[in-house]
Amino acid sequence: GAVVSQHPSWVICKSGTSVKIECRSLDFQATTMFWYRQFPKQSLMLMATSNEGSKATYEQGVEKDKFLINHASLTLSTLTVTSAHPEDSSFYICSANPHVGGVWGTSYEQYFGPGTRLTVT
Amino acid sequence: GQQLNQSPQSMFIQEGEDVSMNCTSSSIFNTWLWYKQDPGEGPVLLIALYKAGELTSNGRLTAQFGITRKDSFLNISASIPSDVGIYFCAGPNSGYALNFGKGTSLLVTP
Repeated sequence: GAVVSQHPSWVICKSGTSVKIECRSLDFQATTMFWYRQFPKQSLMLMATSNEGSKATYEQGVEKDKFLINHASLTLSTLTVTSAHPEDSSFYICSANPHVGGVWGTSYEQYFGPGTRLTVT
Repeated sequence: GQQLNQSPQSMFIQEGEDVSMNCTSSSIFNTWLWYKQDPGEGPVLLIALYKAGELTSNGRLTAQFGITRKDSFLNISASIPSDVGIYFCAGPNSGYALNFGKGTSLLVTP
């Protein structure tokens, strides 16, 4: 159980265009999902917490108008990188916690998707 | 969020050797999580710890929740080539978010 998928696994786009990344919880409902960014040889940096049916909570320094998050259902959160630039090139990973607001009991365990490699040319 | 210090930064060992890495926090945690990340993949949860002093195993992996609640250890016994990857410790941040350590990169030679 606790499987999270991401789509696409990689994407190349031109500077100035927008890219949407999907994160799905496959075998559980997730009221809360998380979006991370990871640069080569570095740790995961939390960008935002995605909340079903309400606005996302962004970490300090993350531009909410550039990284649009929509959590429209209990199994899907999307991250849209708007007007992408080469410096946005990175590995974007989502995660979900099946224990928040669910029947699995309270826990901090997060389950990660396989990641999306974004390259902006 | 709380700062997590993970050490060593990298390890280069021979197959069959045991491995030990640790993580310390600037503040008390009530949960410690250990993840492994293979290149180009998302992290995979290895072990979750919920109680100070707790010792939990997952196959050849054993993790301990430090008594002070400010540290945790991960040990890998009899390492094999597929143990290669980056190991991250994580602890709770605000809400249900997590703070991650900077990772320990493990290389295993046959």
